[in-house]
Amino acid sequence: ILNVEQSPQSLHVQEGDSTNFTCSFPSSNFYALHWYRWETAKSPEALFVMTLNGDEKKKGRISATLNTKEGYSYLYIKGSQPEDSATYLCAFKNNAGNMLTFGGGTRLMVKP
Amino acid sequence: IAGITQAPTSQILAAGRRMTLRCTQDMRHNAMYWYRQDLGLGLRLIHYSNTAGTTGKGEVPDGYSVSRANTDDFPLTLASAVPSQTSVYFCASSVVTSGMGEQFFGPGTRLTVL
Repeated sequence: ILNVEQSPQSLHVQEGDSTNFTCSFPSSNFYALHWYRWETAKSPEALFVMTLNGDEKKKGRISATLNTKEGYSYLYIKGSQPEDSATYLCAFKNNAGNMLTFGGGTRLMVKP
Repeated sequence: IAGITQAPTSQILAAGRRMTLRCTQDMRHNAMYWYRQDLGLGLRLIHYSNTAGTTGKGEVPDGYSVSRANTDDFPLTLASAVPSQTSVYFCASSVVTSGMGEQFFGPGTRLTVL
């Protein structure tokens, strides 16, 4: 069983605050790191798929960085809005197969 | 159909009963997956299929079986349900090309075993 951990488990911020959270994963046999956004009562939706060490991806106010050598990825949200409230999941894929191992998620709540 | 559908949306089931959760996708993705979501444990892979006719075990396969007779359908069967199988079940699919493929998730099935 691969160890994929996310911190913090939950986070409360005020509207307008910028925030970030962490995903740590095994640094060996790395293939890809996925980020998903999961709103309450909906299904997870992919934000980013990252494969290269040093990769940085951006979608609107959300960005992510990747360090495969030390086994971590950061997700940043600039100027949080109430609609950003969701659980953010990271998932690790190694080079041994097609499966993803998910972290436990970070639940973000943005107060207006 | 657009994307992935799951049925039923929710179900209450007596322990010992057999239950099949249905999953259908219309995106012609070759890979499909079943996850269960439990509080504090995130998404855990039950079974997967990389292509029609093949299946594999995930992290928590015991008590579950799957089949993949064609590209579109990937049913999950609980042969004799137990209360510990109370969970929300998500089906997902992806394209297996270089292996990067993001996964697309269905709306989930909430199953309660009494």
